[in-house]
Amino acid sequence: EIVLTQSAGTLSLSPGERATLSCRASQSVSSNYLVWYQQKPGQAPRLLIYGASNRATGIPDRFSGSGSGTDFTLTISRLEPEDFAVYYCQQFSSWTFGQGTKLEMK
Amino acid sequence: QITLKESGPMLVKPTQTLTLTCSISGFSLSPSGVAVGWIRQPPGKALEWLALIFWDDDTRYSPSLIHRLTVSKDTSKNQVFLTMTNMDPVDTATYFCAHREYFGDLMFAFDVWGPGTAVAVSS
Repeated sequence: EIVLTQSAGTLSLSPGERATLSCRASQSVSSNYLVWYQQKPGQAPRLLIYGASNRATGIPDRFSGSGSGTDFTLTISRLEPEDFAVYYCQQFSSWTFGQGTKLEMK
Repeated sequence: QITLKESGPMLVKPTQTLTLTCSISGFSLSPSGVAVGWIRQPPGKALEWLALIFWDDDTRYSPSLIHRLTVSKDTSKNQVFLTMTNMDPVDTATYFCAHREYFGDLMFAFDVWGPGTAVAVSS
């Protein structure tokens, strides 16, 4: 089973700043299989990025994904107030999720 | 428009069997490539993938829970079911079902999720 590790449990940033979230796999994952979600309290997760770097429908272009092999990154170029949430990565080889990174407002 | 909605008991007792239903609309469970997944989230904790069922009734399960899970579907009723045996308080969670989308080039994601149903396990 592939384990995904999101190294930062919590990231404290201010609106307008750049956020860089990391997701590391215990073994190589095809970039086609790497997905990012955003989850706000009391809501279901929302698809942000699939195939490591493809934005889902309706996702603003301040969200971008990159990476390959075992290291993947979600970048939010300029944080908006509505971006403060929990972010999860998932791989579709064996469907496991990372433990999440909470992005909180400083 | 694709929608999914989970339903089932809000409270089960330890050792009981949980059965959840995912009612879908906006897509059919029969075309080649369609899949629906189940995911859960204990209060304040991370998402955990549980199971996946494909259009052809092929299934996949989380290795840690495979001995307790069964996923099935009724295509004619547009419903997907998850059964989990021997429930324990640690299984207290919100349970989600989600539509697996295929974007081409072997890219997949859970693109539409149900709102989730909260299940508590307590005597």
